[in-house]
Amino acid sequence: DAKTTQPPSMDCAEGRAANLPCNHSTISGNEYVYWYRQIHSQGPQYIIHGLKNNETNEMASLIITEDRKSSTLILPHATLRDTAVYYCIVRDTGTASKLTFGTGTRLQVTL
Amino acid sequence: EAQVTQNPRYLITVTGKKLTVTCSQNMNHEYMSWYRQDPGLGLRQIYYSMNVEVTDKGDVPEGYKVSRKEKRNFPLILESPSPNQTSLYFCASSLGHRNSPLHFGNGTRLTVT
Repeated sequence: DAKTTQPPSMDCAEGRAANLPCNHSTISGNEYVYWYRQIHSQGPQYIIHGLKNNETNEMASLIITEDRKSSTLILPHATLRDTAVYYCIVRDTGTASKLTFGTGTRLQVTL
Repeated sequence: EAQVTQNPRYLITVTGKKLTVTCSQNMNHEYMSWYRQDPGLGLRQIYYSMNVEVTDKGDVPEGYKVSRKEKRNFPLILESPSPNQTSLYFCASSLGHRNSPLHFGNGTRLTVT
């Protein structure tokens, strides 16, 4: 699986959009980009994933660049409950196999 | 409710005493995996299983065993635990193809003294 690079921490004011970047410059054509988050020591929670096109669901939007070497997770109106560690990972073809999470971005939402 | 269930949530044991952490999923998922999480190191994969009787090593398999005798269960076995295996453990499952999100359990906090 391709490796990802994320900033270690970010701050965001409550009510504003949080934009979390991820670099995955060695991604291959078959790899999906996934985002998860972990609040305190709970199990990681799935947020969103995509292959080439931008995606949106009730939690967030995912913007993937045309060359697929980077992506941005957007939380449109961050709340204090969005404070968490956010992980960006890329997932290989149908064999699933190893999944490397890295250390993620710690997002702190403040009043 | 679709879920991944780990037991126990907390476990304190002594060096060398064999233990098993259970993991069960009710979503008929082919893929299951174990992770450990330590401060500053993120989530590291221990073992994974693509289906019944198919298991493979992740990034940190030393000191652990797994088995996949039935689809729903994927226990993690520590034959002779050591203090460096003190950690937070997560089990996860998915349908197994790349377009399928992982579902995580709530974690097992293990302390080995």
